[in-house]
Amino acid sequence: GAVVSQHPSRVICKSGTSVKIECRSLDFQATTMFWYRQFPKQSLMLMATSNEGSKATYEQGVEKDKFLINHASLTLSTLTVTSAHPEDSSFYICSARDGTSGGQFFGPGTRLTVL
Amino acid sequence: ELKVEQNPLFLSMQEGKNYTIYCNYSTTSDRLYWYRQDPGKSLESLFVLLSNGAVKQEGRLMASLDTKARLSTLHITAAVHDLSATYFCAVDGTSGSRLTFGEGTQLTVNP
Repeated sequence: GAVVSQHPSRVICKSGTSVKIECRSLDFQATTMFWYRQFPKQSLMLMATSNEGSKATYEQGVEKDKFLINHASLTLSTLTVTSAHPEDSSFYICSARDGTSGGQFFGPGTRLTVL
Repeated sequence: ELKVEQNPLFLSMQEGKNYTIYCNYSTTSDRLYWYRQDPGKSLESLFVLLSNGAVKQEGRLMASLDTKARLSTLHITAAVHDLSATYFCAVDGTSGSRLTFGEGTQLTVNP
């Protein structure tokens, strides 16, 4: 089946630093990738939709200058949390849509803790 | 705005019993997905339902879709402890791109 990887799986950083999270589709081309965040005991909240070669579309209330998204190729999207603060601590999950099957597959997630 | 509601939100059941989780959505959709999430883990794809009347089964789980009623069900047969997890349904909007998730159903299967 389709596999999506994320790196790193867990990161702890100091307040004010930036963190980059990578999302890769390993065996299919993903024209669209999605970034979600999930707080404990809650559902997934879509942050932004990323299309290869174009600017990401951010959901209402998500700061595009704080959460930088780059989708440089059909298999890689990155999310950079700039000037991270403790309230940014969360579980960040990416997903990728398989252009052939239309299925949407999720990465294993990245747990970010900002001290 | 597309809304997706799951019922129940919490479910505790004994091994060997059957139960159904319901997923209602508010507007026309192209696809409906069911996912499983274990604590501290990401989402695992269970089913993709593409058309009215679609039924898919994998092991003790069976999912169905009624697009006219805007309802999907996830039926659990003879539950076992390993099925304990949170189950999410998610719906593709008419844009065919982004998913809208239900609140999730936290299932606990007791021995």
